[in-house]
Amino acid sequence: EAQVTQNPRYLITVTGKKLTVTCSQNMNHEYMSWYRQDPGLGLRQIYYSMNVEVTDKGDVPEGYKVSRKEKRNFPLILESPSPNQTSLYFCASSVSGVKTQYFGPGTRLLVL
Amino acid sequence: GQQLNQSPQSMFIQEGEDVSMNCTSSSIFNTWLWYKQDPGEGPVLLIALYKAGELTSNGRLTAQFGITRKDSFLNISASIPSDVGIYFCAGLFLAGGTSYGKLTFGQGTILTVHP
Repeated sequence: EAQVTQNPRYLITVTGKKLTVTCSQNMNHEYMSWYRQDPGLGLRQIYYSMNVEVTDKGDVPEGYKVSRKEKRNFPLILESPSPNQTSLYFCASSVSGVKTQYFGPGTRLLVL
Repeated sequence: GQQLNQSPQSMFIQEGEDVSMNCTSSSIFNTWLWYKQDPGEGPVLLIALYKAGELTSNGRLTAQFGITRKDSFLNISASIPSDVGIYFCAGLFLAGGTSYGKLTFGQGTILTVHP
């Protein structure tokens, strides 16, 4: 089954404790992206990657890092999480551009 | 960055009623997308629009790409309970024939349908 998976789905952590949210797709997609969703703000893009070893900043990259060492994986790293990074995070992938993106199920993060 | 204003923020309607929502932008896009998000899931693409004035339907859903390229509209006819969810518009500007670019989302419209 073609899908985008994220882990964990739910995470509670404390300020400053490094964490990684994994994203994996089994569709051999080149394009992958991370978004955060906050009430009243819609989805905002954090980082995206057009292919292996090619990443670029989205609208809200501060406080986040990404890497794309393999085509299928695109982890989101929070080196020192802060409470304003409490949010719902979505990973997405597509074979040919942003309009055909498949979204993962989301990761709900709470930073205390 | 670019701003998208989506309205209304929420709607409470009776089953069978028609629904309209719209998005306006401070700058032009050359692609407009409409997504639906069910509770606990990621957004799913409903309709994509690629040129000004375009009117596209997907079942009971109809969307239009505004002539100014700064707005788009989504209509749902004869709503049913499973239409409940959050609807997002998204604008995309692609330069130079590329298919990659940055997607800007509206704030979302929360739709509730009463049986």
